[in-house]
Amino acid sequence: QQQVKQSPQSLIVQKGGISIINCAYENTAFDYFPWYQQFPGKGPALLIAIRPDVSEKKEGRFTISFNKSAKQFSLHIMDSQPGDSATYFCAARRTNTGNQFYFGTGTSLTVIP
Amino acid sequence: EAGVTQFPSHSVIEKGQTVTLRCDPISGHDNLYWYRRVMGKEIKFLLHFVKESKQDESGMPNNRFLAERTGGTYSTLKVQPAELEDSGVYFCASSLRRGQVGTDTQYFGPGTRLTVL
Repeated sequence: QQQVKQSPQSLIVQKGGISIINCAYENTAFDYFPWYQQFPGKGPALLIAIRPDVSEKKEGRFTISFNKSAKQFSLHIMDSQPGDSATYFCAARRTNTGNQFYFGTGTSLTVIP
Repeated sequence: EAGVTQFPSHSVIEKGQTVTLRCDPISGHDNLYWYRRVMGKEIKFLLHFVKESKQDESGMPNNRFLAERTGGTYSTLKVQPAELEDSGVYFCASSLRRGQVGTDTQYFGPGTRLTVL
């Protein structure tokens, strides 16, 4: 059973546009929600993360919006650039029962110049 | 600082053969994880070491998979005998000991792409 559901599977955005990727979870015990970015031939790398005690976190052009009541969180990439073209994974973790991440299925983002 | 390294980057084997994947975590990281991504699916947890001890192996698919971590340093994941459904990308990740600053972040290696024919 998939613990974290991610959409869309793929996304094409014009340079300068906003990219939005959504994730939903069921387990209310999750307490840490990272987003990972993966370029071809590389491993996933942490992009930005949030805990459920805040509703938004911003780092440069990347923002996580978190809706605890809806059990949803999303990644917004402002002013998308061709260099942002990569696969993005959302994840969730329940700290007090271990460190394993539950990942979404990934979103392939292409930013067109 | 060197990142997580994995060897080999690719492996193509016949069904029934044995394959051993290796992961070298970031130096000083007590936690080591193995994950697998089957094409188009999510990255799925396999197991977690704390130093040389298996903390959680709930994600291991079956007893054809054997993971070891020698002396709390590098780790190996052996698949014997390999089946077609074992194909995928195997990722290794490492993180600091709980209680240390930055322990939430798992650092991933580039993965080993395993193809079983």
